[in-house]
Amino acid sequence: GAVVSQHPSWVICKSGTSVKIECRSLDFQATTMFWYRQFPKQSLMLMATSNEGSKATYEQGVEKDKFLINHASLTLSTLTVTSAHPEDSSFYICSARDSRSNQPQHFGDGTRLSIL
Amino acid sequence: QKEVEQNSGPLSVPEGAIASLNCTYSDRGSQSFFWYRQYSGKSPELIMSIYSNGDKEDGRFTAQLNKASQYVSLLIRDSQPSDSATYLCAVNMDFSNAGGTSYGKLTFGQGTILTVHP
Repeated sequence: GAVVSQHPSWVICKSGTSVKIECRSLDFQATTMFWYRQFPKQSLMLMATSNEGSKATYEQGVEKDKFLINHASLTLSTLTVTSAHPEDSSFYICSARDSRSNQPQHFGDGTRLSIL
Repeated sequence: QKEVEQNSGPLSVPEGAIASLNCTYSDRGSQSFFWYRQYSGKSPELIMSIYSNGDKEDGRFTAQLNKASQYVSLLIRDSQPSDSATYLCAVNMDFSNAGGTSYGKLTFGQGTILTVHP
């Protein structure tokens, strides 16, 4: 089945640090990748959608200058949390799908980000 | 009105029983529906997808879709303690970005916590 690899699985860093999270599709071409954030005991909230080779589309209320998304190839998307603060601590999850087929999204294992 | 609604539970069933999870959605144009299972601290795992009215069975899982009623459900037969998790209903909605690229975007319900007790 489709595999999505997300790295790192957890990060602990000081306030003000920028953190990059990678999301890779291992056995299919991910024309579209999604970045979600999940706070404890809440559902997934979509942050942004990226299509390969074009700018990401951000959901309302998500700061595009703070959460930088790059989808430079059909197998890799990155999310950079710039100048992270404690309120950015959350579980970040990417997903990917091949939009050319009617395949569902497949999720990475998530990255638990803790900002001290 | 939320776009995708689920009963947050918790739903508690005894081992071996049938667990029934329900979901309603607001967009009549939605064509694709999914059930994900999420264990605590883990990312969601796809367990069922359904695209047309009726039932779809996969092992102990059966998804049911009724587009007229805008309703999708998941039945888990012979529930096991390992089925204890949060079950997320997701509905695919089509969007186009500023560049004209069309793509599907999932909208999730808030999830139903299922507990299967021995």
